[in-house]
Amino acid sequence: SQELEQSPQSLIVQEGKNLTINCTSSKTLYGLYWYKQKYGEGLIFLMMLQKGGEEKSHEKITAKLDEKKQQSSLHITASQPSHAGIYLCGAAPPTGKLIFGQGTTLQVKP
Amino acid sequence: NAGVTQTPKFQVLKTGQSMTLQCAQDMNHEYMSWYRQDPGMGLRLIHYSVGAGITDQGEVPNGYNVSRSTTEDFPLRLLSAAPSQTSVYFCASSWGRSALHEQYFGPGTRLTVT
Repeated sequence: SQELEQSPQSLIVQEGKNLTINCTSSKTLYGLYWYKQKYGEGLIFLMMLQKGGEEKSHEKITAKLDEKKQQSSLHITASQPSHAGIYLCGAAPPTGKLIFGQGTTLQVKP
Repeated sequence: NAGVTQTPKFQVLKTGQSMTLQCAQDMNHEYMSWYRQDPGMGLRLIHYSVGAGITDQGEVPNGYNVSRSTTEDFPLRLLSAAPSQTSVYFCASSWGRSALHEQYFGPGTRLTVT
């Protein structure tokens, strides 16, 4: 079965700094999703990547998909306290069951 | 639209008790699923449904039952609660009959089994 490994597991950054979160799949990626979860709340969809080399941006968050490496990265530029939370990557293999990585907890210090 | 709603928000059960977690969506989504979230383990799929009358198991189905009699509702039943089922439970839905679309998540149910 497919597994997703996220790194790092947790991250503390100073406000204004850039950061990157990685998500590596054990099998071919057919669709890669990024979600954000604020503490004690449900998940909010950030973006979906489907093609190798695809890159999407939303405000100060950019995600890329490297199909060959079976990996995706999420990059936050000039982090703000509002970026704090848990970031999860998800993948949907051909079976259609969406699976998630274990999550990366981000703290942004003002 | 209310989106995906879950009730209750919090629940405490004793070992051996049964209960049903409710999930409803008003977006006419075909695909619905249940996840549990535990520290350091991300979200794990319990059961999912690709439409009314159709359900299937996910990664961790033991101890849970589901049914899908309508498009809107997808309840999750704990037959005999165990401390290992202490977790936060999320329901999600999406259009289409697979997980290959944006998932909309409910706010979660925090369950403690003593």
